[in-house]
Amino acid sequence: TQLLEQSPQFLSIQEGENLTVYCNSSSVFSSLQWYRQEPGEGPVLLVTVVTGGEVKKLKRLTFQFGDARKDSSLHITAAQPGDTGLYLCAGVMRGTSYGKLTFGQGTILTVHP
Amino acid sequence: EPEVTQTPSHQVTQMGQEVILRCVPISNHLYFYWYRQILGQKVEFLVSFYNNEISEKSEIFDDQFSVERPDGSNFTLKIRSTKLEDSAMYFCATTFSTDTQYFGPGTRLTVL
Repeated sequence: TQLLEQSPQFLSIQEGENLTVYCNSSSVFSSLQWYRQEPGEGPVLLVTVVTGGEVKKLKRLTFQFGDARKDSSLHITAAQPGDTGLYLCAGVMRGTSYGKLTFGQGTILTVHP
Repeated sequence: EPEVTQTPSHQVTQMGQEVILRCVPISNHLYFYWYRQILGQKVEFLVSFYNNEISEKSEIFDDQFSVERPDGSNFTLKIRSTKLEDSAMYFCATTFSTDTQYFGPGTRLTVL
C-alpha cells in the first residue's frame, strides 16, 4: 500500500516552462515536508507545511497543503537547469507521536537548457 | 548553519560482520531517526529515538539492529550481522520538534 503517491515519477521539460509535482494520500497528515535530494547525498529540506490550505513560496517554488491535509503540491515557475534533481514529499501521519516520516517515491526532474 | 553529520560516508563490509554507523545530531535537537534508502527505492523509516529510548521502530528494524547515544552527542546505528540486503544508504535525521527533520549526508553501506 502506497501511503503517499507522488506523481509524476519523471518529468523532463525545457528551461522556462512551469511544472507541478503532486503528492496524494488517503491518510491525513499533521505535517508535510518537501525535500530535494542530489545523487549520493541526503534529502535537503525545502519547506514544511502544517496547516490545511497553507501556501508557502520559496522564490520560484510554491508549495500548497490541501485543505483536508491529505495532499500537497509543488509548483515551479520558469524552471531552470539548476532545478534539476530528485524532489521528495514526506509526511508525518496524524496520530504519529514521534514524527516518523512516510516518503513518496520521488519525482526526478530534468530541466534542459 | 548547523548540520547533521554522519560517518563514515562509505562502509564496505563482509556479510555477517558487524557495522556501526555514526551520526552527530544538531546540538539542541531532541528526536533522532534512522532511515534507509535501497538503490532505486524510496526512503524508508527504521527507528525513532527520544529521551534515550526507542520510541518507534519499523518491521525492518529487527533484532539485528540497535541504536544508542553512547555519550550524549553521537547517535549510532549498529547492525550486528550484516546481510546482503542491508546494502543501502543510511540516513540519520534529527529535529527539535517532530514537524521538520534535518537529514545528514548519509552512509553508503555495501555488504559483500
